[in-house]
Amino acid sequence: SQQGEEDPQALSIQEGENATMNCSYKTSINNLQWYRQNSGRGLVHLILIRSNEREKHSGRLRVTLDTSKKSSSLLITASRAADTASYFCATDAGDSSYKLIFGSGTRLLVRP
Amino acid sequence: NAGVTQTPKFQVLKTGQSMTLQCAQDMNHEYMSWYRQDPGMGLRLIHYSVGAGITDQGEVPNGYNVSRSTTEDFPLRLLSAAPSQTSVYFCASSYFGTGLEQFFGPGTRLTVL
Repeated sequence: SQQGEEDPQALSIQEGENATMNCSYKTSINNLQWYRQNSGRGLVHLILIRSNEREKHSGRLRVTLDTSKKSSSLLITASRAADTASYFCATDAGDSSYKLIFGSGTRLLVRP
Repeated sequence: NAGVTQTPKFQVLKTGQSMTLQCAQDMNHEYMSWYRQDPGMGLRLIHYSVGAGITDQGEVPNGYNVSRSTTEDFPLRLLSAAPSQTSVYFCASSYFGTGLEQFFGPGTRLTVL
């Protein structure tokens, strides 16, 4: 079963609006990562947040982590048509293995 | 640097055939992994390796074998292809483990008839 589950599954917004995606996970983690996948392409790393961090910024991206609720959110501000992609969260498996487990993703459509 | 490369980009197999998907990286990364992505779904971990000579199973290892004889290469072998293995396969690498950014290859689209 997948460690992370994103919500919503799909999101459609107008260019310039903010987009918020959420990720919930099941076990304790050491870190959580967010990736972007353009259609038909490989995944690209966006940001990593460690379990002792609550918030992290990178350009127009803001990630929060609430370990008590086992959840994270990715906020993209002032969205652009080029942000249209699928977004995935990924966490370690919470055990001593080196498994990185991905969620099912959020498909974001930014309308011009 | 070429980053993570995968060959072939596309492949069609018949049920029962075997083949090897190639993955190579030139970044001297210790950690490498294979994922499969089915339509509309996230990535599922097949196998991973934390260094040359060391491999371990992921979430969906059945029907696949891996080996890691060098730091650079991490081939994925399909032993006897089945239609359920129709998917897009991604290879990824990082300097070490799951606590760092993963670099992904462009993927191999496999169809099993």
